[in-house]
This record gives sequence, structure tokens and C-alpha cells, in this order.
Amino acid sequence: HVQLQESGPGLVKPSETLSLTCTVSGDSISSYYWNWIRLPPGKGLEWIGYIFHSGNTNYNASFRSRVTMSVDSSKNQVSLKLTSVTAADTAVYFCAREMTVFGAFDLWGQGTLVTVSS
Amino acid sequence: QSVLTQPPSASGTPGQRVTISCSGSSSNIGSDTVKWYQHLPGTTPKLLVFNDNQRPSGVPDRFSGSKSGTSASLAISGLQSEDEADYYCAAWDDSLNGHVFGTGTKVTVL
Repeated sequence: HVQLQESGPGLVKPSETLSLTCTVSGDSISSYYWNWIRLPPGKGLEWIGYIFHSGNTNYNASFRSRVTMSVDSSKNQVSLKLTSVTAADTAVYFCAREMTVFGAFDLWGQGTLVTVSS
Repeated sequence: QSVLTQPPSASGTPGQRVTISCSGSSSNIGSDTVKWYQHLPGTTPKLLVFNDNQRPSGVPDRFSGSKSGTSASLAISGLQSEDEADYYCAAWDDSLNGHVFGTGTKVTVL
């Protein structure tokens, strides 16, 4: 039974860096793309980017100057860093596994709310 | 901003059929397969449809997807109270070189 669990601070100050970790249990992170997706309050889902187990990344152009994703295969974890956050970055952040063939997100974490406020 | 357009809301009574549309362009729906997700606030989003019309194991056949050109639809037949949720379409966009989601549709069971 594969599970994804996001973790990290629930409160980040404006201009600081948001850091989240997604821990995968029940399976190896190899052979999949691991995505970060967010849901701002009152808005729709927004794709942030993905990282392959090899470390290759692809980021949404809207975040490219601020985002970094990394993978730690020894811990079966992927991480997200988003710099220079503002209130607009307040959202529930999800990690999601992407099916290798059809590009669908077949497994999601429960999500973690990050609030940007001083 | 979302590049896939959905109606903000849809509704029906129990047992009815509800259809949600998703309008895109040649760079996304027109050139990639469509996925549909169900999200009940506070819970984990769930994949309902992939590859335009395929359902993952465990998804009831009340949910069906279709696509024509640059538009797609999700139909929910035999509407049930537990279907009350937000629904999102998604696809890969070749121009943006990334995944894109629809604007989302809130389904209400009257």
C-alpha cells in the first residue's frame, strides 16, 4: 500500500523560503515522476513542477525563478523549495505520483497547508 | 491562470446525469490525453479518468470521460450524494511544456 506524506512548516514569513518534503512509503521512488501541485484558497489546482528519480526536473514557468526540487533516494523523499514567498503562495501543497505512460497523477498525498504571513 | 476552461458549477438531483465540459486548445487537449480528478475539500484528490476515457481500478463506471477535438467531457450518471465535490480536467500542454489543470467545477447534489 503506497502512501505519500507531505511535511514541513505550516507558517512561513513573507520573503522567506517555503520548504516541504514528501515521503514515499510502500514503494521505491524510482521509475516515477514526482510532482508538486498546490491549491490556493478559493482557487483551482496549479501544477508547480516535477522531478524524476534521476534528478531531472521540469518546472512551471510561473515558478521557475523561485522553485527547486530535489530527490533523496536513500530516504525515499522528494523535496520542494520555493523562495521569496508572498501571501499569494498560501495554499495546500500536494505531492503526487505521475503514471509513466499516461501522465496522470494516480497517487496523491493528503496535502499540507502552508500559510504565508508575518 | 488555467488554460483549460470548465463551468464553475453543475448540479443535479440524485439519480440524474450531470456532464462537465473542459475546453482547451490544440496544444493541450488537442494533442494529449485528458485526465479528470475529483476533490472533496480536506481530502486527497482522486484520479477518475485517464487516457481520455479509461477508469482506474475502483472507480465506478458511473463516471465516464470523452474527448472530441480540443474539448472533453466528464459525465456522472446516477448521481449520488457522495459525488458532491470539485472536479478538474487536466492535460499536458506542449506550448507550456507542462501539466495544466482546468478551472474546476463544483458539483452540487440537490
